[in-house]
Amino acid sequence: DTEVTQTPKHLVMGMTNKKSLKCEQHMGHRAMYWYKQKAKKPPELMFVYSYEKLSINESVPSRFSPECPNSSLLNLHLHALQPEDSALYLCASSQEWRDPGGSGNTIYFGEGSWLTVV
Amino acid sequence: AQKITQTQPGMFVQEKEAVTLDCTYDTSDPSYGLFWYKQPSSGEMIFLIYQGSYDQQNATEGRYSLNFQKARKSANLVISASQLGDSAMYFCAMREKVSGNTPLVFGKGTRLSVIA
Repeated sequence: DTEVTQTPKHLVMGMTNKKSLKCEQHMGHRAMYWYKQKAKKPPELMFVYSYEKLSINESVPSRFSPECPNSSLLNLHLHALQPEDSALYLCASSQEWRDPGGSGNTIYFGEGSWLTVV
Repeated sequence: AQKITQTQPGMFVQEKEAVTLDCTYDTSDPSYGLFWYKQPSSGEMIFLIYQGSYDQQNATEGRYSLNFQKARKSANLVISASQLGDSAMYFCAMREKVSGNTPLVFGKGTRLSVIA
């Protein structure tokens, strides 16, 4: 069972709605990630938080707004989305890279949130 | 340039047979990790196996093993005794040290179908 929990599992929203995706981990990880995955494609990185600070933003449109309230929680606020934003949104977490870290360098994913924008 | 290359869009394997999924990678960082993930149709990205660049031995986890050939920059996944439940998309991914919290870079994936 994954130790990264995402809610909701499924979300349908209109283009004028405001909604949020939530992610929680209790593995003591200090890095958290949002990935977006379209059908039949690999996941694409959106944001990386390191020690609760945004460290990477992959030129994501401002209608996606990430938030990291504490080291265990990661949110993705959604506003004025487009139908092409419909996708699977994956949250993940990891520890900082360590040498040698072994499998401790693994990035663990949640079950994902399926988003449909109508 | 692609950092992770998976050349097999789809593979078929008979139940109980072994199958190899190919992955090559490109990096100039001496410290990196290679990962394989399984993604069933439900969407969850399930971690299978890890190989570190400094690891001397090939990684194994149950029915999964990783054939790591550093000089060739390849990290092929071998699944032994395939089961129907192994049918899924499989992604090879890499994480480089560069800075502390580098994200994963994924290949395009291989869809494995196990036939009874």
